[in-house]
Amino acid sequence: GAVVSQHPSRVICKSGTSVKIECRSLDFQATTMFWYRQFPKQSLMLMATSNEGSKATYEQGVEKDKFLINHASLTLSTLTVTSAHPEDSSFYICSARVEAGGRREQYFGPGTRLTVT
Amino acid sequence: RKEVEQDPGPFNVPEGATVAFNCTYSNSASQSFFWYRQDCRKEPKLLMSVYSSGNEDGRFTAQLNRASQYISLLIRDSKLSDSATYLCVAENTGGFKTIFGAGTRLFVKA
Repeated sequence: GAVVSQHPSRVICKSGTSVKIECRSLDFQATTMFWYRQFPKQSLMLMATSNEGSKATYEQGVEKDKFLINHASLTLSTLTVTSAHPEDSSFYICSARVEAGGRREQYFGPGTRLTVT
Repeated sequence: RKEVEQDPGPFNVPEGATVAFNCTYSNSASQSFFWYRQDCRKEPKLLMSVYSSGNEDGRFTAQLNRASQYISLLIRDSKLSDSATYLCVAENTGGFKTIFGAGTRLFVKA
């Protein structure tokens, strides 16, 4: 299957600082990537849909000025958590959609565990 | 009401058992459906897509009933390695929005 990488896999930062998370599709081009957040024992919550070359579409309740998404190329999307607070501590996962042969599947990155102290 | 609802679990079953997971979706515009598996502290991995005609992959069988807006996953001959959280996923028309269920935790014990 398609491979999606995320960097870093784990980050600890101080409250008030910003953190950038990278999501890359390694062996395919992805016009659309998704960013999710998952709190312990809860399901994935879609934060935003990232489209290459255009502004991201944010889900209701997600602050676009706090969670900056940039999809500058067909293989890279970044999520920047600005002015992080302890409540932003979570597991952030990106995914990339692949369409081939009439089928559409999502492949997930390994996730980034963010801890804000 | 959540758009995608699953059995809360957890399911505790012995090795070799057959276990069934149920899932319902509320958005009739949902067109594509999937089952994902997520191991603890890892990313979800696609288990199988779900088609109206039903589909089978080894010990796993998925069914879709559009009239009832119901999806199921059957695991036969459970293995210890099947222990994970199983996520039901619905995707709307055009694939512009993917909704995950809360997941059902499965524990398979020797």
